[in-house]
Amino acid sequence: GEDVEQSLFLSVREGDSSVINCTYTDSSSTYLYWYKQEPGAGLQLLTYIFSNMDMKQDQRLTVLLNKKDKHLSLRIADTQTGDSAIYFCAESNSGGYQKVTFGIGTKLQVIP
Amino acid sequence: DTEVTQTPKHLVMGMTNKKSLKCEQHMGHRAMYWYKQKAKKPPELMFVYSYEKLSINESVPSRFSPECPNSSLLNLHLHALQPEDSALYLCASSPGGTGGYEQYFGPGTRLTVT
Repeated sequence: GEDVEQSLFLSVREGDSSVINCTYTDSSSTYLYWYKQEPGAGLQLLTYIFSNMDMKQDQRLTVLLNKKDKHLSLRIADTQTGDSAIYFCAESNSGGYQKVTFGIGTKLQVIP
Repeated sequence: DTEVTQTPKHLVMGMTNKKSLKCEQHMGHRAMYWYKQKAKKPPELMFVYSYEKLSINESVPSRFSPECPNSSLLNLHLHALQPEDSALYLCASSPGGTGGYEQYFGPGTRLTVT
């Protein structure tokens, strides 16, 4: 079955770059997503990447995909205190595109 | 506009009560979802509606009953819940079909069962 793994916690200083990593097991994954969840709130879709891409950049966010190693990363440049949240990596595959498998979530703490 | 709205924001109910959670989107999305999220856990899929028809039911107990009255609305009817059903209930929608599969989430309903 599908499995998505992430580290639980990351702490960075304000202004530094953050890199959150994720690995997945399903080789038929077609879409890979990054979601942000602030305390008590719903999930905010930050960005997503198709499996035929290896990089996507959107303002301060850079997503890198290594399909061979099934490794996905999210880099946040110039990290701000407002970036403190839980970040979920998720994947869906072409066979079950309506089913998204989420990782456990990485809690990002930004130190002022 | 990428907004999914949910009401109520908070709900406290007893185990014998009947209540409903509501979700609405006006993005023209054709797939809508219910998720349950416990503290410090990722969301767990409960139901998927595609083109107003139930396409996925993740073996959810019958005390949870989904309904999709039209393409913009999704309800979750609750009856005879247990304290362990207390959680954040999230609604999501996605374009569906060739429009894409990325899911947009609402803010959630925080449910407490007493």
